[in-house]
Amino acid sequence: DSGVTQTPKHLITATGQRVTLRCSPRSGDLSVYWYQQSLDQGLQFLIQYYNGEERAKGNILERFSAQQFPDLHSELNLSSLELGDSALYFCASSVHPDGSYEQYFGPGTRLTVT
Amino acid sequence: GENVEQHPSTLSVQEGDSAVIKCTYSDSASNYFPWYKQELGKGPQLIIDIRSNVGEKKDQRIAVTLNKTAKHFSLHITETQPEDSAVYFCAANLGGGSNYKLTFGKGTLLTVNP
Repeated sequence: DSGVTQTPKHLITATGQRVTLRCSPRSGDLSVYWYQQSLDQGLQFLIQYYNGEERAKGNILERFSAQQFPDLHSELNLSSLELGDSALYFCASSVHPDGSYEQYFGPGTRLTVT
Repeated sequence: GENVEQHPSTLSVQEGDSAVIKCTYSDSASNYFPWYKQELGKGPQLIIDIRSNVGEKKDQRIAVTLNKTAKHFSLHITETQPEDSAVYFCAANLGGGSNYKLTFGKGTLLTVNP
């Protein structure tokens, strides 16, 4: 158990809908990273927050957004969902502000768009 | 572009044999190289990492070697056991400065046959 929690575990929704994925980092970690994992694209970095502020952006679509709250939990919002958004979404947390240190992954949320 | 290439994509070994997975990276500024193990239905688990100031690191049956000149690093698992069966991902921090982000290889499915 990494200490990172994610909810929900599974999510099934229809095209055009909006969903919110939630992540709680390990105790003491200030950084939260969001990743998308699909069979064809592998594990892709989406976005990072550090202590409430956006720190880095990766291959995140404009339809996706995220935020980190004062209690350090983070939410990833996916809107106008398309079939191709079906994937596993992971968050990871770290003590440090950049991608040069250990990241610990949560169990993921499996999103299915029908 | 900046990427991490991983080989082989699948690897099948007999219990007790060694397994080696290799990765190359493109950014000469990269200085952090973690390896993750992902079991079915779970999030990636950090199993070992290495920084550019050392050439090798060991942890029981697992070792990682780094050749900065050639920009490649490898994971070595000795005395493999069936519970080592999983997908293994290498990663490197690409981007430099305060913009380091982890970029992952496509993964290696390791099967250890009893």
